[in-house]
Amino acid sequence: EAGVAQSPRYKIIEKRQSVAFWCNPISGHATLYWYQQILGQGPKLLIQFQNNGVVDDSQLPKDRFSAERLKGVDSTLKIQPAKLEDSAVYLCASSFGRTGGKETQYFGPGTRLLVL
Amino acid sequence: SQKIEQNSEALNIQEGKTATLTCNYTNYSPAYLQWYRQDPGRGPVFLLLIRENEKEKRKERLKVTFDTTLKQSLFHITASQPADSATYLCALGSDSWGKLQFGAGTQVVVTP
Repeated sequence: EAGVAQSPRYKIIEKRQSVAFWCNPISGHATLYWYQQILGQGPKLLIQFQNNGVVDDSQLPKDRFSAERLKGVDSTLKIQPAKLEDSAVYLCASSFGRTGGKETQYFGPGTRLLVL
Repeated sequence: SQKIEQNSEALNIQEGKTATLTCNYTNYSPAYLQWYRQDPGRGPVFLLLIRENEKEKRKERLKVTFDTTLKQSLFHITASQPADSATYLCALGSDSWGKLQFGAGTQVVVTP
């Protein structure tokens, strides 16, 4: 089975520019997650979708970050404008989304963002 | 505030020995705990899940324990191999939507 796909794999931008990341989850997975992983830290959840609805976005900096999941499949995460502290790996994950949680999350390879 | 602590220092271990990693948490009541492996430049890969009412879980050379009284999980890799070298992340979950909170991870280096 195909895994979670993400693009681009690497991105270098200057501060105040905008950037967008794309994620295609595993087919049939209802839940999609976006994480931010700063070097030396664990992944931090930014936003969680159940189908095309937002379940949790409490840690998403909404003044500069936005995300959408149209039609409950692919998702995009956007940063506008970027700051130096946004330099990190952005991971997308998906899971089946059955009620009760306790599910395995399948991660993509991530997009490594460097803001200069 | 909720806190998850894993050993920040790398664990260097000789091939064939058992590696033991700890995951401690405070101000949290997880319903389950998961362990993931992460290799450089890659996303985390799921290894094991243990529920709050389970004491121990095994999978091949891996063993996880979960003590909700001590607020601690131990992760063991027995008969370690150089291919086990990676960073291991613990993640706690408590809601029905599958939301996880991750620790910072512990790097394991297995030398021949």
